[in-house]
Amino acid sequence: DIQMTQSPSSVSASVGDRVTITCRASQGINNYLVWYQQKPGKAPKLLIYGASNLQSGVPSRFSGSGSATDFTLTISSLQPEDFATYYCQQANSFPLTFGGGTRVEVK
Amino acid sequence: QVQLVQSGADVKKPGASVKVSCKASGYTFNSYNINWVRQAPGQGLEWMGWISTSSGDTLYAQNLQGRVSMTTDTSTNTIYMELRSLRSDDTAVYYCARWWHAGGYSDYWGQGTLVTVSS
Repeated sequence: DIQMTQSPSSVSASVGDRVTITCRASQGINNYLVWYQQKPGKAPKLLIYGASNLQSGVPSRFSGSGSATDFTLTISSLQPEDFATYYCQQANSFPLTFGGGTRVEVK
Repeated sequence: QVQLVQSGADVKKPGASVKVSCKASGYTFNSYNINWVRQAPGQGLEWMGWISTSSGDTLYAQNLQGRVSMTTDTSTNTIYMELRSLRSDDTAVYYCARWWHAGGYSDYWGQGTLVTVSS
């Protein structure tokens, strides 16, 4: 199975801050890397697929980058509605595996 | 619009079985496969398995093999996930999610179903 390691596990930030979350795969995943946002009591929401493709309707302050085994989600200017938990997931092969999550908290 | 509507919360005793439904609407049912993902309280996301809505083929997480079954009813565009021999650590919110294989992502998710296993 491909292991996904996310860091940090939590980050404290203020509105307007730039936030960067990293995700590392235990082996190459051909850019089949997905980012989800999850708010308490809600289902995950697709943000980024194919490592860098913004899902329709997602604000452009979200961006994804990386290749092979190392990937990054960046929020360029944090907004109040962005406080949430973010998960990466590899979609290169089954079993699909998720990172442990990164909680973005109010500083 | 695309919707995945899941059955309601359930409470089961250890050793029992639970069957969660996921009714799809707003798109061509057999054009997208379905993943099931669960989330224990305060924990991360765990992939449980995948079902092809066109062929009924399934793929299950190894740690659930033998206890989980996923099926479809094409007459009602509904997908089912049954988990047997429930244990307390099966307490979780269970999600169905539409899977676009070519893109490698789940773009629509059900609202989640809380299954509580308690004696």
